[in-house]
Amino acid sequence: NAGVTQTPKFQVLKTGQSMTLQCAQDMNHEYMSWYRQDPGMGLRLIHYSVGAGITDQGEVPNGYNVSRSTTEDFPLRLLSAAPSQTSVYFCASSYTRDGYNEKLFFGSGTQLSVL
Amino acid sequence: AQRVTQPEKLLSVFKGAPVELKCNYSYSGSPELFWYVQYSRQRLQLLLRHISRESIKGFTADLNKGETSFHLKKPFAQEEDSAMYYCALLTQSGGSNYKLTFGKGTLLTVNP
Repeated sequence: NAGVTQTPKFQVLKTGQSMTLQCAQDMNHEYMSWYRQDPGMGLRLIHYSVGAGITDQGEVPNGYNVSRSTTEDFPLRLLSAAPSQTSVYFCASSYTRDGYNEKLFFGSGTQLSVL
Repeated sequence: AQRVTQPEKLLSVFKGAPVELKCNYSYSGSPELFWYVQYSRQRLQLLLRHISRESIKGFTADLNKGETSFHLKKPFAQEEDSAMYYCALLTQSGGSNYKLTFGKGTLLTVNP
């Protein structure tokens, strides 16, 4: 049982490049989300999904795209990287039961630098 | 809009001293609150949630709706409690559409 797996762990991009951060979970969780963590800003929600085929925007969605074609995978795409997207990115998933959100399980993070 | 405020970026205490990490929230609905912790080089993980009223690693947190607070407390801090602590608020907007909003975090250092 791997939990939430994020790849890559580290990435350096040049401004304007595109890339996809991968996130996979093997716990059959309906809910998946992406956060970015910046010093002094805490964790901010980028996008989230409550099930396959359903996605919605969080607090800071600009510059990022997501899709959820399967329950297991929730990739985050940067279409044209900018230095402001330098951050640590976390993927998280959870199971819902009786209308309540169970705890979030977090991936180990992706440290992204955009030059 | 919902908001979570953790007024202290840094908190330093000595081993054995009581510790309180403050969290205030703003939300018009019925709040569901959590404390998450990130130890050095480890993943973020749930510490406790108000709905389960449990005590984890000696930490407790009581939801005070009148003061809109969910402060995290421990009577005797240990060095291994040194970590970044995040307060989080769950909000729902119909069906299974819910979001978890985090505060900016408090870095707790417990000195020997």
